[in-house]
Amino acid sequence: KNQVEQSPQSLIILEGKNCTLQCNYTVSPFSNLRWYKQDTGRGPVSLTIMTFSENTKSNGRYTATLDADTKQSSLHITASQLSDSASYICVVSARDRTSYDKVIFGPGTSLSVIP
Amino acid sequence: KAGVTQTPRYLIKTRGQQVTLSCSPISGHRSVSWYQQTPGQGLQFLFEYFSETQRNKGNFPGRFSGRQFSNSRSEMNVSTLELGDSALYLCASSLARTPTYNEQFFGPGTRLTVL
Repeated sequence: KNQVEQSPQSLIILEGKNCTLQCNYTVSPFSNLRWYKQDTGRGPVSLTIMTFSENTKSNGRYTATLDADTKQSSLHITASQLSDSASYICVVSARDRTSYDKVIFGPGTSLSVIP
Repeated sequence: KAGVTQTPRYLIKTRGQQVTLSCSPISGHRSVSWYQQTPGQGLQFLFEYFSETQRNKGNFPGRFSGRQFSNSRSEMNVSTLELGDSALYLCASSLARTPTYNEQFFGPGTRLTVL
């Protein structure tokens, strides 16, 4: 069964600290993996997109890694800011035989950055 | 450049009614995808339209339908509303079909409440 799990469910960190969010998936055949940031009451914003051949992708203070062998991804946030408080969602796409992607969303990690 | 717009932003309906939601993609974008977000199920993919044709479909009942017009604007319709249809409905646009390596831009969503 295609599934995406994220951990931790929620996280509280002090401003300026680093943190790492995890995403494990059982999606096959793998097409791509995306990380989104969703502020409360707003639509998600894309942070990174990675295909099978990419194992690291950065976007400012956000760095995503992908290990396609172990089917794990992580999102590392450096020098956190109050504005990083949001839900972070891991999304994995599976390419089926019709060449259409099945899009599977993780439940998200709620991050709170406190002063 | 204007972002993705969705109308209405908030909607209250009663069980059994039907509802139509509208999405205007970013100018030049030809792909529009729809998603449902609920506290219990998280984000789930509904369907994707590209060049007025449905290109991909999630696992939702036939009560959920959509269409795309020649100007790429899209509408989503839900008939015979149920209490469980209460959710945030998000629309996202991209330049090409999302199975390709394209970034998606989300709208603010339409909050539907079914009483």
